[in-house]
Amino acid sequence: DTAVSQTPKYLVTQMGNDKSIKCEQNLGHDTMYWYKQDSKKFLKIMFSYNNKELIINETVPNRFSPKSPDKAHLNLHINSLELGDSAVYFCASSFEGVAKNIQYFGAGTRLSVL
Amino acid sequence: KQEVTQIPAALSVPEGENLVLNCSFTDSAIYNLQWFRQDPGKGLTSLLLIQSSQREQTSGRLNASLDKSSGRSTLYIAASQPGDSATYLCAVLINQAGTALIFGKGTTLSVSS
Repeated sequence: DTAVSQTPKYLVTQMGNDKSIKCEQNLGHDTMYWYKQDSKKFLKIMFSYNNKELIINETVPNRFSPKSPDKAHLNLHINSLELGDSAVYFCASSFEGVAKNIQYFGAGTRLSVL
Repeated sequence: KQEVTQIPAALSVPEGENLVLNCSFTDSAIYNLQWFRQDPGKGLTSLLLIQSSQREQTSGRLNASLDKSSGRSTLYIAASQPGDSATYLCAVLINQAGTALIFGKGTTLSVSS
């Protein structure tokens, strides 16, 4: 059983297109995250949702819009894709308010914008 | 602003060696520190988590230490194996409530047989 699953694993698209990446966790966690790993392998937080509410929104273009239909899902929609959006996007989840707060990561979605 | 630095950026060792990976952070007001492993094309796997009140954690051949006052952590890998080859990421959580991890850029380890 995959704890945090992302789809698709690979996404190749043209500049200007709109695309979505889906994330689901079956761990019963109440907090979910989106991270971006750039070409230099640097991982940086984009968004955090707790119980379907946006908690963190780092400096990310408003072309990126997260959507959380329920606690187990956090999808990422990207409008008007640009070359610089090419990266690996990781979804993660954890419990908030629990001492250990271990974050569990999905396998990543490799986005290539041509 | 919290910054996390990892040294070295890359490390190559022969099988069987003991090694130390270093992590430093600029703001000591952290909740916990985590070490992750990332294999090429894969996600992240949590290796060890050290709470801010703890000094170290051990799991098998791995030992992580934390000196919060000096802003440093080390990951010690004993008797390295080729299967340990991966990128090791250090990350700090700056508070408990809904705050994401701040990552270092990682140390890429290569263990040759």
